[in-house]
Amino acid sequence: EIVLTQSPGTLSLSPGDRATLSCRVSQSVSSYYLAWYQQKPGQAPRLLIYGASRRANGIPDRFSGSGSGTDFTLTISRLEPEDFAVYYCQQSETFGQGTKVEIK
Amino acid sequence: EGQLVESGGGLVKPGGSLRLSCAASGFIFKNAWMTWVRQAPGKGLEWVGRVKSESYGGTIEYTAPVRGRFSISRDDSKNMLNLDMNSLKTEDTAVYYCTTETRFSYGHKVYYGMDVWGQGTTVIVSS
Repeated sequence: EIVLTQSPGTLSLSPGDRATLSCRVSQSVSSYYLAWYQQKPGQAPRLLIYGASRRANGIPDRFSGSGSGTDFTLTISRLEPEDFAVYYCQQSETFGQGTKVEIK
Repeated sequence: EGQLVESGGGLVKPGGSLRLSCAASGFIFKNAWMTWVRQAPGKGLEWVGRVKSESYGGTIEYTAPVRGRFSISRDDSKNMLNLDMNSLKTEDTAVYYCTTETRFSYGHKVYYGMDVWGQGTTVIVSS
């Protein structure tokens, strides 16, 4: 069974900061199945990145994904007020536990 | 633009049953792989199960905690996805989302992501 471990659990940053979120997979996986989602309170998740590095339709270019094998990263280059949310990585049938990006 | 609307959630006693439905529009439903994802109160996302399109054999898979209790079905003539939940437990309490598991094709490469989500329907299992 594949386990996805996201770190940190919480990231306290200010608007304009750069956010770096990590997703570590318990065994080497294909990047084709690695996706990232954003979820705000009371809302459904929204697909940000698929295939580890491809932005979904309508996602601003301040969001980028990278990585391969067991280590993947979601980077938000400059945080906008609407980016404060919880972020999940996903590999096939497994989600990470999430990283909360909160306002410092 | 694709849209999914879930219905059928509610309060049910442990051991009871419930059927959730998901109405799809704005995309070719029969070609879509459809997935249920749930989220317990204050918790993260949990993949529940998936049904592939008929062109991929209509294969259905479930996560271990629900296998044998939950059943996913689809009606391509009505653009509907269903989740039949039996022998419900308190730990099944969650918001249930239906979502499309889209295959993004670039030449010979195919990438996967859940890009259309419903608003969710709440299931509470309590005595």
